[in-house]
Amino acid sequence: KAGVTQTPRYLIKTRGQQVTLSCSPISGHRSVSWYQQTPGQGLQFLFEYFSETQRNKGNFPGRFSGRQFSNSRSEMNVSTLELGDSALYLCASSPGQGIAGANVLTFGAGSRLTVL
Amino acid sequence: AQSVTQPDIHITVSEGASLELRCNYSYGATPYLFWYVQSPGQGLQLLLKYFSGDTLVQGIKGFEAEFKRSQSSFNLRKPSVHWSDAAEYFCAVGGDDYKLSFGAGTTVTVRA
Repeated sequence: KAGVTQTPRYLIKTRGQQVTLSCSPISGHRSVSWYQQTPGQGLQFLFEYFSETQRNKGNFPGRFSGRQFSNSRSEMNVSTLELGDSALYLCASSPGQGIAGANVLTFGAGSRLTVL
Repeated sequence: AQSVTQPDIHITVSEGASLELRCNYSYGATPYLFWYVQSPGQGLQLLLKYFSGDTLVQGIKGFEAEFKRSQSSFNLRKPSVHWSDAAEYFCAVGGDDYKLSFGAGTTVTVRA
């Protein structure tokens, strides 16, 4: 069974640009979550999607957005990049329903974004 | 609001020695508790989870954790560490709001 796939793994952008990150969940998983990991702030929740609907959103500015497609694949977008957006962005998938289904996350390897 | 505290930023342990990582949580309802491990440049791997029932849970790689409601703790233990256990360990709490809150992590160094 293939794991959670994130692309690209590494990318470098400059301030003011925008970036789109992609996540393919485990087959059959309907929930996708996104987390930002930085040395200073640690792991912070961005948003969670289930069946194309956002069920929860973290405390991030509107520059951070996401969506989920009908095949459960998800993308997140960051517009007008700032230096502080440099981070490892982790995607996780889960079945999405029930206690275990909603909480037991399988993480991808992450997309490391560097903003210059 | 839910939160997790991992008091130890860094722990160094000798190979073959026991390991205990501390985790304290704050959550208003019944918590769902997790330990994840992250190797450099990698994502997070689930070691074990607690939802209910037996307060001592077994996980992968020989790890176990004990849930103590009275102390709001969920400490991770391993009787004998291997060099491959060197990594960063994260405790997390989840609930009914489709998100996990993570602690700051504990980096484990294993010396020969």
